[in-house]
Amino acid sequence: EVQLVESGGGLVKPGGSLRLSCAASGLTFSNAWMSWVRQAPGKGLEWVGRIKSRTDGGTTDYAAPVKGRFTISRDDSKDTLYLQMNSLKTEDTAVYYCTTCGSTITSRRSLSDNWGQGTLVTVSS
Amino acid sequence: DIQMTQSPSSLSASVGDRVTITCRASQGISTYLAWYQQKPGKVPKLLICSVSTLQSGVPSRFSGSGSGTDFTLTISSLQPEDVATYYCQNYLSAPFTFGPGTKVDIK
Repeated sequence: EVQLVESGGGLVKPGGSLRLSCAASGLTFSNAWMSWVRQAPGKGLEWVGRIKSRTDGGTTDYAAPVKGRFTISRDDSKDTLYLQMNSLKTEDTAVYYCTTCGSTITSRRSLSDNWGQGTLVTVSS
Repeated sequence: DIQMTQSPSSLSASVGDRVTITCRASQGISTYLAWYQQKPGKVPKLLICSVSTLQSGVPSRFSGSGSGTDFTLTISSLQPEDVATYYCQNYLSAPFTFGPGTKVDIK
């Protein structure tokens, strides 16, 4: 069974930084394409970004609101995904979910069929 | 970037009713369309990918259709456990945007 456990959330001031982690188990992490999805309180889902596996180039894509401020990285030796968030804004307040997809079909690997429980990031002065 | 819209934003229906939710993409996405269900207080769940392919364990009362820019999610006979918010998602190309969601409850 795939398990994803996020950590690192908390309260941060506008303009500050935070790094989220996602510890993965139950899958071959080095082969997995991993994504971050966020959900502001009482709002809908917002795709944040995705990182491909190293064997597929390890490239990243981001949503426009976070591009240039957020960086997704991975440490395959630790089965851990990261989200470095800089220049945080109040509108970044949300629960951040780590997700992955178990499909071997390339086009589906950016989907989210496994989710962590999420970690809350609150950006406020 | 591809924008996703959904209608209605919310609906209320009786148990046993047929429910249809519409999702529209701002440009053609072929069949790269997924649907998620998020029950109150729970983590989202992937229901359908490739427009109409049900994920394992998803009841057959759920179905999807469409291609290009217009898609639908249908619940053939609404059940109390289907109370949730439903989101569509484009996965043709990044950013893989979600629709704003459709909240479904029981009348």
